[in-house]
Amino acid sequence: GAGVSQSPRYKVAKRGQDVALRCDPISGHVSLFWYQQALGQGPEFLTYFQNEAQLDKSGLPSDRFFAERPEGSVSTLKIQRTQQEDSAVYLCASSLEVERSTDTQYFGPGTRLTVL
Amino acid sequence: TQLLEQSPQFLSIQEGENLTVYCNSSSVFSSLQWYRQEPGEGPVLLVTVVTGGEVKKLKRLTFQFGDARKDSSLHITAAQPGDTGLYLCAGDWSGNTPLVFGKGTRLSVIA
Repeated sequence: GAGVSQSPRYKVAKRGQDVALRCDPISGHVSLFWYQQALGQGPEFLTYFQNEAQLDKSGLPSDRFFAERPEGSVSTLKIQRTQQEDSAVYLCASSLEVERSTDTQYFGPGTRLTVL
Repeated sequence: TQLLEQSPQFLSIQEGENLTVYCNSSSVFSSLQWYRQEPGEGPVLLVTVVTGGEVKKLKRLTFQFGDARKDSSLHITAAQPGDTGLYLCAGDWSGNTPLVFGKGTRLSVIA
């Protein structure tokens, strides 16, 4: 069966470039999450969507980070003017319901972003 | 910012040994989850615990939630090389807030 997919799997950007990372959640899943996982760290929450509504963006580290989910399915995380500290794996997760704390989140394989 | 500490950070053991890893916070969890992550993949949920004192078993893995809901442990019996991976705990403190992950315990089981 289809799980969460992310593309590209790897992205190398020069400092100052803009990047766009795509997430295809499991069909029918209401909730979608973005996380950032730096090397040797656990995932850190970035933002949360319930259908097309972005209900929590408290984890976005700066205004260079922007996420959208216009039709309540596919989501894009955009990073403008990338910096070296943005280098990390960006994980997307989706869950069937809206109960954030206990509903099972299914993670994609992540996009590894390297900023040179 | 809520902090969630995991120990040990690294663990290397021989096949067949038992091990326990820990997850601690100074605050009371609403719920806590354990995940396993392999290289190049996203975390996969192993278990969710919500009740203080709760014990859940998943084959050779035993998860325990502390009575005060501030800590949790994962015990693996007779570890296998297939158990190798990064074990992450993630806590939620108020029921509707983002999950906070620990840094994980990186386990290596040597055949």
